[in-house]
Amino acid sequence: SQQGEEDPQALSIQEGENATMNCSYKTSINNLQWYRQNSGRGLVHLILIRSNEREKHSGRLRVTLDTSKKSSSLLITASRAADTASYFCATDANQAGTALIFGKGTTLSVSS
Amino acid sequence: SAVISQKPSRDICQRGTSLTIQCQVDSQVTMMFWYRQQPGQSLTLIATANQGSEATYESGFVIDKFPISRPNLTFSTLTVSNMSPEDSSIYLCSVGDRGEKLFFGSGTQLSVL
Repeated sequence: SQQGEEDPQALSIQEGENATMNCSYKTSINNLQWYRQNSGRGLVHLILIRSNEREKHSGRLRVTLDTSKKSSSLLITASRAADTASYFCATDANQAGTALIFGKGTTLSVSS
Repeated sequence: SAVISQKPSRDICQRGTSLTIQCQVDSQVTMMFWYRQQPGQSLTLIATANQGSEATYESGFVIDKFPISRPNLTFSTLTVSNMSPEDSSIYLCSVGDRGEKLFFGSGTQLSVL
């Protein structure tokens, strides 16, 4: 079953601008992760934020988590054409034995 | 980290046939997962491949259609059986510990005519 829902579904920006993607989920979680997928190939892990964390940074990436609202955001600062990809949030539901459940994704297009 | 080799990378198959996808990891891993990504969609978990026992399938997926083998801690196969055009998808192998990040293979793009 679908756990995460990203918005927007698609986002087009110019190089140098910031890109913000949001993810909402339904059940309590242990952690939330963001992944990038280029051209329908394998996914690459970007960042993991645990349920007791509120914000995390990795290079040009900033992730926030609001467990009261069951939502997360991914901010990419100073975007580059190479950031063009699909971005997915995934949740590790707070239940024993469950695997990651992925959201529908946001397609980001960065033009130079 | 884990490096995953998945093959074939793509295939075009006739309906009614079967395709076996292989996933090889460069280190022993406990958890291996198979995902399906239909065109323009997100990833859906097919099953968890268990070493030494039957795979654990998610709702909507059955062993007869997607038999999985896991003979050891570094290798797994997924077979897509009796294919129809609706099976056209990207199939992804992934590994990782529960609660931690997943590593993905590069995927198998399957087209069924």
